Amino acid sequence: GENVEQHPSTLSVQEGDSAVIKCTYSDSASNYFPWYKQELGKGPQLIIDIRSNVGEKKDQRIAVTLNKTAKHFSLHITETQPEDSAVYFCAASIPRGTGFQKLVFGTGTRLLVSP
Amino acid sequence: DVKVTQSSRYLVKRTGEKVFLECVQDMDHENMFWYRQDPGLGLRLIYFSYDVKMKEKGDIPEGYSVSREKKERFSLILESASTNQTSMYLCASLPGDRSYEQYFGPGTRLTVT
Repeated sequence: GENVEQHPSTLSVQEGDSAVIKCTYSDSASNYFPWYKQELGKGPQLIIDIRSNVGEKKDQRIAVTLNKTAKHFSLHITETQPEDSAVYFCAASIPRGTGFQKLVFGTGTRLLVSP
Repeated sequence: DVKVTQSSRYLVKRTGEKVFLECVQDMDHENMFWYRQDPGLGLRLIYFSYDVKMKEKGDIPEGYSVSREKKERFSLILESASTNQTSMYLCASLPGDRSYEQYFGPGTRLTVT
């Protein structure tokens, strides 16, 4: 069935270090891969996404890479700051034939950035 | 800004009670979703709706039903709450123009005792 695995479940880094979160997916038809950030007491919010026709995308300190052959994608955060501390979720789209695509989410990574 | 609101942030109910969780979005989005979030399990899709009065089961629909009488409102119903439905419930909405970004509400933490 449709499945997205995410690692690690927790990640502690020092301020200024880089953080990397990795996900693998099972459905080869998936073509959209978003990353959501969930801060304490809030709902998840999209921070970056990538489509299957692109291998890498950057937005300031955040980047996402995609390897379609291996079915894995990663989130990279450089120069981490304490406000990056949150739970991060990856997701992969599941086509439904027509209309929108469902998302299957990973299990989440709790990132803690220490000053 | 897209706004998705949920009727309660915290809710405590007793086993066997009928529970209604309400979600409202203000951006005229066609699609709405209910997820539950549990530690170590991520977000799992319960039900979704792609139009008024239209609904489809997600991955874990057992014990839940939904209602969408108006475009902006999507309700999740627990017909007879059980302790294993204690969880964080998240509502999301998505435009119908082949956009991909889902917009989430702040969540309702439900405790069933």
